[in-house]
Amino acid sequence: GEDVEQSLFLSVREGDSSVINCTYTDSSSTYLYWYKQEPGAGLQLLTYIFSNMDMKQDQRLTVLLNKKDKHLSLRIADTQTGDSAIYFCAEKLAGTALIFGKGTTLSVSS
Amino acid sequence: EAGVVQSPRYKIIEKKQPVAFWCNPISGHNTLYWYLQNLGQGPELLIRYENEEAVDDSQLPKDRFSAERLKGVDSTLKIQPAELGDSAVYLCASSPGTSGRGEQFFGPGTRLTVL
Repeated sequence: GEDVEQSLFLSVREGDSSVINCTYTDSSSTYLYWYKQEPGAGLQLLTYIFSNMDMKQDQRLTVLLNKKDKHLSLRIADTQTGDSAIYFCAEKLAGTALIFGKGTTLSVSS
Repeated sequence: EAGVVQSPRYKIIEKKQPVAFWCNPISGHNTLYWYLQNLGQGPELLIRYENEEAVDDSQLPKDRFSAERLKGVDSTLKIQPAELGDSAVYLCASSPGTSGRGEQFFGPGTRLTVL
């Protein structure tokens, strides 16, 4: 069945770049998403990438997609303490809801 | 534009009691989702509505869970009776549709504690 996997924890220093990785298993995924969840809050959509793209850049965020390896990454440049949160990778199959990973907790120290 | 609204934000009940959660999606969004999020996990779909029709309820435990979306706008998710294992965050999300990008917008969730 579908299974999205992420590393559980990442710790970086303020100002460094963060790279959060994700692997997914369904090659028919149409879109892939990155969501951010702060404590006690719902999920906030950060960015998405269509499956026929390799890269998407949006301000400090860069998404890389390797469809052959079913690997997705999110790079956050100049990481700030406000970026501390849980980041979820999600894949969308045609006509269905999203399938989420377990989330990566990003801790940013000053 | 208002986001997805959920209430209550927190609910504490004793096991075997009933509980209900309410969701108001973003105006104009035809698709509504209820997700369950256990601690340390990503959200998992419970049910998906297209307007007032439940088009995917395969993961909804129908012996104790029920949901409705009358008039294709607001939705209510009910648990009766609640069990200890139902303690979790219940998230509602909406999207303009399932075609195209299908990006979903989430409410803040209802945190349920069953004692």
